[in-house]
Amino acid sequence: DTGVSQDPRHKITKRGQNVTFRCDPISEHNRLYWYRQTLGQGPEFLTYFQNEAQLEKSRLLSDRFSAERPKGSFSTLEIQRTEQGDSAMYLCASSLEDRGQIFGPGTRLTVL
Amino acid sequence: AQTVTQSQPEMSVQEAETVTLSCTYDTSESDYYLFWYKQPPSRQMILVIRQEAYKQQNATENRFSVNFQKAAKSFSLKISDSQLGDAAMYFCAPHSGGSNYKLTFGKGTLLTVNP
Repeated sequence: DTGVSQDPRHKITKRGQNVTFRCDPISEHNRLYWYRQTLGQGPEFLTYFQNEAQLEKSRLLSDRFSAERPKGSFSTLEIQRTEQGDSAMYLCASSLEDRGQIFGPGTRLTVL
Repeated sequence: AQTVTQSQPEMSVQEAETVTLSCTYDTSESDYYLFWYKQPPSRQMILVIRQEAYKQQNATENRFSVNFQKAAKSFSLKISDSQLGDAAMYFCAPHSGGSNYKLTFGKGTLLTVNP
């Protein structure tokens, strides 16, 4: 296992379209996190899974956002009816309990 | 809510010299972890070092060490023998406490290493 992978790496979409991102964590990691990073800022927490259960969602995660982690493996983050303010880098991280989160390369979303 | 302050937006250091990046945070938790992450330009976030708040001994990872002052809520990163590859944005990130281990990031310090 070479680390956390994310797909796609870049996504350009038009305002109002739906987009879906995928994250494959390190296989033995039970925890999975999504963060959003805008230019010049540190990442902001969006949501967290322990195995397949989504245990916490940030208030940043409006009802246009939904995340899943079926069977406690890969995770998807979907944004419906994208807005220009959704343009950001979306980061996925995984960890085994408290050992420190390992980040993927991110998906850069541009909404035109 | 937890807040993290990195008061140095930018720092520079000469190759082979030592630099210290500062971080202060606010938390009501007594048991938590703190991390420093490095993000090179256009590259992914890399875990640099981890500190457990209940341990008095400061963590060390090769050329990287921390100065953790729990009472002062201060968590600085020292980079010794700086190398060109250390150039990056550095983020301080305490975890929020509790069982979810989510991270709260500061705004980062951009480190430049001069040859």
